Amino acid sequence: GAVVSQHPSRVICKSGTSVKIECRSLDFQATTMFWYRQFPKKSLMLMATSNEGSKATYEQGVEKDKFLINHASLTLSTLTVTSAHPEDSSFYICSASRLAGVSGELFFGEGSRLTVL
Amino acid sequence: GENVEQHPSTLSVQEGDSAVIKCTYSDSASNYFPWYKQELGKRPQLIIDIRSNVGEKKDQRIAVTLNKTAKHFSLHITETQPEDSAVYFCAASHATSGSRLTFGEGTQLTVNP
Repeated sequence: GAVVSQHPSRVICKSGTSVKIECRSLDFQATTMFWYRQFPKKSLMLMATSNEGSKATYEQGVEKDKFLINHASLTLSTLTVTSAHPEDSSFYICSASRLAGVSGELFFGEGSRLTVL
Repeated sequence: GENVEQHPSTLSVQEGDSAVIKCTYSDSASNYFPWYKQELGKRPQLIIDIRSNVGEKKDQRIAVTLNKTAKHFSLHITETQPEDSAVYFCAASHATSGSRLTFGEGTQLTVNP
């Protein structure tokens, strides 16, 4: 149990276009989902925390208009990179928690590698 | 906010030897400390975790120790195997932040056959 699926795993797009990445919890209800960005050989950098039915909370320095997050249901959160540029190329990973307000295990998606040409 | 430091950044051992990775955290309210293994291009996988009411936890070749007073925790891998080669991340979760984890910078472990 506790499977998180992320799609697409790889995406290549032209500069100026928008890209949507989906994160789904397949067998549990995810009260909270997190979006991370990971550069090569670096740690996971938290971008935002997403709670179902409410606005995402963004980390300092993350542009909310650039990285749109929607958590429309307890099993789906989406990250849209708007007007993507080459510097947005990165590995994006989502994770989900099924325990609201409790420190607990996070379940990670497979990650999405975005390449902006 | 929480700050997690991890050492060493790279670690190379011979097959069969033990490997130890250490982390320190800054927020005394943190109460959950997981360790993740990440292979290249793949998702982080939880390998072991410990909560602040426990000082040590072991699962076969992997163990984690926690010193709340000193605010540090360590991962111990015994009898290392080449398939243990990966990047390992420690993390800490604040008691009131739910599952919001702060990650260490990672340790690239290489086990040489």
